[in-house]
Amino acid sequence: DIQMTQSPSSLSASVGDRVAITCRASQSISSHLNWYQQKPGEAPKLLIYAASSLQSGVPSRFSGSGSGTDFTLTISSLQPEDFATYYCQQTYSTITFGQGTRLEIK
Amino acid sequence: EVQLVESGGGLVQPGGSLRLSCGASGFTFSDYWMYWVRQAPGKGPVWVSRLNRDGSSTTYADSVKGRFAISRDNAKNTLYLQMHSLRVEDTAVYYCARAPLLGSIYYFDNWGQGTLVTVSS
Repeated sequence: DIQMTQSPSSLSASVGDRVAITCRASQSISSHLNWYQQKPGEAPKLLIYAASSLQSGVPSRFSGSGSGTDFTLTISSLQPEDFATYYCQQTYSTITFGQGTRLEIK
Repeated sequence: EVQLVESGGGLVQPGGSLRLSCGASGFTFSDYWMYWVRQAPGKGPVWVSRLNRDGSSTTYADSVKGRFAISRDNAKNTLYLQMHSLRVEDTAVYYCARAPLLGSIYYFDNWGQGTLVTVSS
């Protein structure tokens, strides 16, 4: 299976900060990479699909980039509701998720 | 509004069986591949199984192959996961998810709220 490694595992930031979360695949996955946000007690929510396409209804402060093995989720200006855990997911072959990045308030 | 509602979770002893259901509404259920994903407490999501639109093609994670069976009833807009020979390590919240397909690209654009399965003696 393709391994997905996210960094950092946790991150402390303030409202208004620009943050970036990276996801590295153990082999090339082209653009078959999605990003999800999960809050405690809730299901994951799709933010970005196909590496850089913004899901309908998701604020434009979220963006995705990358292809091949290296991908980035960027939040341009953190809002209070953005503090959550973020997961990348590859669908190039047998689906695997990253281990998650917990974004906390500084 | 798209809705996916899981049910059927609960406490079961190791070696026991359980059947999960996922009721769908707000979209044409038969147009979508459907998935089960589970998440153990404090861990990330893990894909469990998938089923194509007419129910003729199934795929399973190695960890559940031979023990779990996915199925659907398009007339009832319902997805199922029959689980046998349950193990302690199957303890998790189980989510159903819908997957639109854009050529070879797919993703989970809608998830249910999840149902908790606890395997313990």
